[in-house]
Formats: sequence, C-alpha cells, structure tokens
Amino acid sequence: LAKTTQPISMDSYEGQEVNITCSHNNIATNDYITWYQQFPSQGPRFIIQGYKTKVTNEVASLFIPADRKSSTLSLPRVSLSDTAVYYCLVGNQAGTALIFGKGTTLSVSS
Amino acid sequence: NAGVTQTPKFQVLKTGQSMTLQCAQDMNHNSMYWYRQDPGMGLRLIYYSASEGTTDKGEVPNGYNVSRLNKREFSLRLESAAPSQTSVYFCASSEASFSSYEQYFGPGTRLTVT
Repeated sequence: LAKTTQPISMDSYEGQEVNITCSHNNIATNDYITWYQQFPSQGPRFIIQGYKTKVTNEVASLFIPADRKSSTLSLPRVSLSDTAVYYCLVGNQAGTALIFGKGTTLSVSS
Repeated sequence: NAGVTQTPKFQVLKTGQSMTLQCAQDMNHNSMYWYRQDPGMGLRLIYYSASEGTTDKGEVPNGYNVSRLNKREFSLRLESAAPSQTSVYFCASSEASFSSYEQYFGPGTRLTVT
C-alpha cells in the first residue's frame, strides 16, 4: 500500500500561493493521486485528481514529477476561507487500497 | 439530488450494544466506502464495496460488518460496540472509473460509546 506523508501544518497570508507536498514513495504504476479539503464537522470535498505531469482546474493545480514519488497541490491566491485540512490520497484503479494521509492543516491569516 | 446521506447524525451507545449506520447515494455510483475519523486524525478506510454484491476489508475492519443492500445503499454494523469505536463515521461513493475517482462524502455520523 502506498503510504503518504504530508507536513502537519502550514501557515499563509491572504493572496499568497500555497504549495503542499505529499510524499508517496511506494506508489504503484497504476495508482492515481487525489487531493481533498475538509472543514470542521464536514466530510472531505474533492479538489483535484491526477496521474502524472500537471493537472489544473478552477481551484488548484496538481504537479506530479516523472517518478511520481511525490505530488504538490498548489493553491493560488489563498483566502481566509481556504483555512482547512488538506488530504492527499493515493488509490489504485480498482478503487481499493485507499490510503489517506494524516492531512495538512492550512491556516490563512489576513 | 441529495448526494450521499447518512443516518443517524449522532448516536450514543453503551458498551456491548449494537447498531447499524445507514448510507445511501443517488448518483448511481458503483463504489461505496465507509471511513472512520478519530479526533485530529485522518480518515481510515473500514470497508468498501466496488460494486453491488461485493464488499472488501479496508485498513481497520475489525469490529465492523457491512452490507451492500443494493446499488444505492451501504450499511455499517457494529455488533458489540466498544469505547475504541467512538469516532466520526463517513460514508462515501464514487463512480471509480478511469475518468474520475472523485469520492463524494456524506455529512458523517458522530458516534460515542460509553
């Protein structure tokens, strides 16, 4: 199973770009990478998904190097409402072997 | 479209009691999942169901059983609750196809075992 490692916490200010890196050294060839955001007392919410290289959507970008042993979630111009816990998830295409990391608590200040 | 619904929202049990957590999704997803989240911790997979009629153990299955009643519903049963099972339980569903592995989560069930 591909275990994931993330920083426990990060601090930022409004308007800055935030990059959160997840390490997944044992990722298998067909595993995919997904990132989720969780606010207190709510279920996680999907942010972005990728397999290799770079993926971008309206809220974030995901950078995956060629060896796929890590991935970086990039949040452009964060706001106070981006204060949350961010989880990196590695899973296989069968939908099994789903391992959430312990998450990174992002605190955004004004 | 309700998405993923869970009942109950809150529950208090005494040690040794049993209960079933209910989960339903209206997105026609094949895959469904049960996670637990302890205070200050990440989510841990208890059981999952890749399709109707199949279930498999996740990372922490001991003390739990599941039933995939039909494509919509996936229940989690605690046969003899223990204080170590005090947690927030999340149900999720996913299309789980190559185009999208996005999981949709329910609001959670907060369970306390005394």
